[in-house]
Amino acid sequence: DTGVSQNPRHKITKRGQNVTFRCDPISEHNRLYWYRQTLGQGPEFLTYFQNEAQLEKSRLLSDRFSAERPKGSFSTLEIQRTEQGDSAMYLCASSLGLELNEQFFGPGTRLTVL
Amino acid sequence: AQSVTQLGSHVSVSEGALVLLRCNYSSSVPPYLFWYVQYPNQGLQLLLKYTSAATLVKGINGFEAEFKKSETSFHLTKPSAHMSDAAEYFCAVRAGGQNFVFGPGTRLSVLP
Repeated sequence: DTGVSQNPRHKITKRGQNVTFRCDPISEHNRLYWYRQTLGQGPEFLTYFQNEAQLEKSRLLSDRFSAERPKGSFSTLEIQRTEQGDSAMYLCASSLGLELNEQFFGPGTRLTVL
Repeated sequence: AQSVTQLGSHVSVSEGALVLLRCNYSSSVPPYLFWYVQYPNQGLQLLLKYTSAATLVKGINGFEAEFKKSETSFHLTKPSAHMSDAAEYFCAVRAGGQNFVFGPGTRLSVLP
């Protein structure tokens, strides 16, 4: 299966620690998206890459959050100085760079900040 | 700004009954609309999408949705529910850029 993969699937950390998540998109997809989903809510857009360029960032993405996609393939999302409010499911999706192409979602990384 | 509302956070239907999940959107430009399904511990999967072609859109697993501009709605239907349809369903809108706005979701339960 060559779908979108995310690692780790679960992460438990203490408040104030840094965490990093990885997303591996479908290989030929040049667009990559990060979303955050809290319990009982739909995904909220965080940021989007076209190849290695980060083209859009949500206001939800505070200075403690940073995302990279260094070679236009996998991406990492880092959260510095985690807070309890960061506890959520972090979803990654990828798509071909054509108009309205379907986004394929990964299974997500569930973050719990104690 | 775009927004999506989904009436009913939880809908229960009997197996074989009609499924109707409601979605209303707000958009300042002609929208592109999507329905996604999420099974437990899995990623979201696209059911169908509206891209300004036919207003009645057919998707996978027997689902369809009708775009009604006058009502700003994009309700999802399926004539006969199956146990395997139990999942969380999300409506989403994209209006400009790559910022997709999702609704809060509706959890569908199918009773035997």
